Amino acid sequence: QQQVKQSPQSLIVQKGGISIINCAYENTAFDYFPWYQQFPGKGPALLIAIRPDVSEKKEGRFTISFNKSAKQFSLHIMDSQPGDSATYFCAASKSWGSNYKLTFGKGTLLTVNP
Amino acid sequence: DAGITQSPRHKVTETGTPVTLRCHQTENHRYMYWYRQDPGHGLRLIHYSYGVKDTDKGEVSDGYSVSRSKTEDFLLTLESATSSQTSVYFCAISKGPGTGELFFGEGSRLTVL
Repeated sequence: QQQVKQSPQSLIVQKGGISIINCAYENTAFDYFPWYQQFPGKGPALLIAIRPDVSEKKEGRFTISFNKSAKQFSLHIMDSQPGDSATYFCAASKSWGSNYKLTFGKGTLLTVNP
Repeated sequence: DAGITQSPRHKVTETGTPVTLRCHQTENHRYMYWYRQDPGHGLRLIHYSYGVKDTDKGEVSDGYSVSRSKTEDFLLTLESATSSQTSVYFCAISKGPGTGELFFGEGSRLTVL
């Protein structure tokens, strides 16, 4: 049972365009929804995260939109740059104190062409 | 720098041999995790630890065991490696309540021939 479904698998965007990656979850107990960015040969690193008490969170060019009733959340990258080319993972967890057992989506390979 | 060191970074081994991967942290955090990453599967939790000698299974724990005898070290052992365990293994730590952020090491690439 895949608890976090991510789409698309890959995405090609022109420089300056908007990149949109979508995720859907099944477990209504999840209360933390992060996005991780991974460059080749490196470990994933937190990009931005949201909790279900807000519908949108923006940090610079990156925005998470969250729809609790639909159990969906998405990452929008505005003014996409070649340096944004990486693999992006959505994730979800039920948090207990410091324990964050993240369930990840399968990832989206983003390529931003110059 | 998340203060996480994984070793070895690369290993090639043969089917049936035991393998141990080590994760070392320098910051004394309670929670540590082992994930594996495979194309088309994303990252999947193998085991995690919530303190010395306190561990629990993740979603893909079959064929793996872990140990944590010191706060700073979390070991992942494949008792008898199989080709299906060829993967990139990531260790991660949680730095405290409320942040929700996991900090990942740089990974250990394991190839089982």
